[in-house]
Amino acid sequence: GAGVSQSPSNKVTEKGKDVELRCDPISGHTALYWYRQSLGQGLEFLIYFQGNSAPDKSGLPSDRFSAERTGGSVSTLTIQRTQQEDSAVYLCASTYRGSTSPLHFGNGTRLTVT
Amino acid sequence: GNSVTQMEGPVTLSEEAFLTINCTYTATGYPSLFWYVQYPGEGLQLLLKATKADDKGSNKGFEATYRKETTSFHLEKGSVQVSDSAVYFCALSHFNNNDMRFGAGTRLTVKP
Repeated sequence: GAGVSQSPSNKVTEKGKDVELRCDPISGHTALYWYRQSLGQGLEFLIYFQGNSAPDKSGLPSDRFSAERTGGSVSTLTIQRTQQEDSAVYLCASTYRGSTSPLHFGNGTRLTVT
Repeated sequence: GNSVTQMEGPVTLSEEAFLTINCTYTATGYPSLFWYVQYPGEGLQLLLKATKADDKGSNKGFEATYRKETTSFHLEKGSVQVSDSAVYFCALSHFNNNDMRFGAGTRLTVKP
């Protein structure tokens, strides 16, 4: 079956512009995560959605970052007024509910802010 | 809060050498523990997992044992290959909130 799909795969934007990154999780997966992977760095947790519960936004680095998940499926991560330090690979992952379930990752969106 | 600490890399080994990548965690209760791998040019994928104390996860010759007494989940392989060159991430997921937290990653390079 289809895996986690992210679009676009690459995005180059000018400093100050807004960007939207999209994630289509695996059908039936109730949990969805966004992470950021900067060059040479590990995975930075951004936000977590679980079913209809309020999302865990504790990892969002500033109020320029926001995310939503419509209908419990597709998610959009929005970065407003992008800065050069926002340049990174943004990864989306989904899984079934339950702590023993591994995450299924998309291939990421590489964001470059010029 | 929950967190994972991995040994810093990069790690460079010769083919057939023994590999250990250390991972320790901080969490209340009984988290599930995972190792993920990211091969060059590919996305992250699960390598192995363990869901309770003393469990051993294994896959592709890699092993890790869930040690609650030392809060550790060290990754080991007896004889590495060039194809094992990748970045390895230790992670935990806590039952209460299910969020997956990752270590910083350890880059392994295996030379022929």
